Amino acid sequence: DIQMTQSPSTLSASVGDRVTITCRASQSISNWLAWYQQKPGKAPKLLIYKASTLGTGVPSRFSGSGSGTEFTLTISSLQPDDFATYYCHRYDTSPWTFGQGTKVEIK
Amino acid sequence: EVYLVESGGGLVQPGGSLRLSCAASGFTFSNHEVHWVRQVTGRGLEWVSKIGPSGETGYPDSVRGRFTGSRENAKNSAFLQMNSLRVEDTAVYYCVGRRGYGYGIDYWGQGTLVTVSS
Repeated sequence: DIQMTQSPSTLSASVGDRVTITCRASQSISNWLAWYQQKPGKAPKLLIYKASTLGTGVPSRFSGSGSGTEFTLTISSLQPDDFATYYCHRYDTSPWTFGQGTKVEIK
Repeated sequence: EVYLVESGGGLVQPGGSLRLSCAASGFTFSNHEVHWVRQVTGRGLEWVSKIGPSGETGYPDSVRGRFTGSRENAKNSAFLQMNSLRVEDTAVYYCVGRRGYGYGIDYWGQGTLVTVSS
């Protein structure tokens, strides 16, 4: 199975900071990658799909890039509502797999 | 608006069985695949099952042979039959869907907690 390695596992940042999260696939997945945001006690919310396409209603400060095996999620200017856990997800073939998650904490 | 509502979670002993249900509304259910994704409390996400529009299924090795996904398109419902449950199956189980092939998971239920414990 194709494995996803997400880093860092925890990130401490301040409001206004530029934040980057990385996800690496063990083999090429083209651009079949999504990013989600999850807050405690809630289901994840889709932010990005096809590596770089913004989900419906997602603020433009979120962006995704990459293809093949290396992908990034960038938050251009961190807002108070953005403190949460973020997951990458590959969906090129079964079985789908997710990254381990990155918790973005207040510095 | 799309809604996915899970039910059927609860406490079960190791080796026992449980059947989860997912009631869908707000989209043409029969045209879309449905998946189950689980999350151990405080941990990451794991894909558990795919149920295609015509009932075709897929599973990861961790549940294959123990879990069975199915659907009733006439009732806009999907199911996950879980047998031979293990302590490590304890998790919140989400019913999820997407707009179509190539999209990420647009739609998530609220989740239902399955606890496997003696």
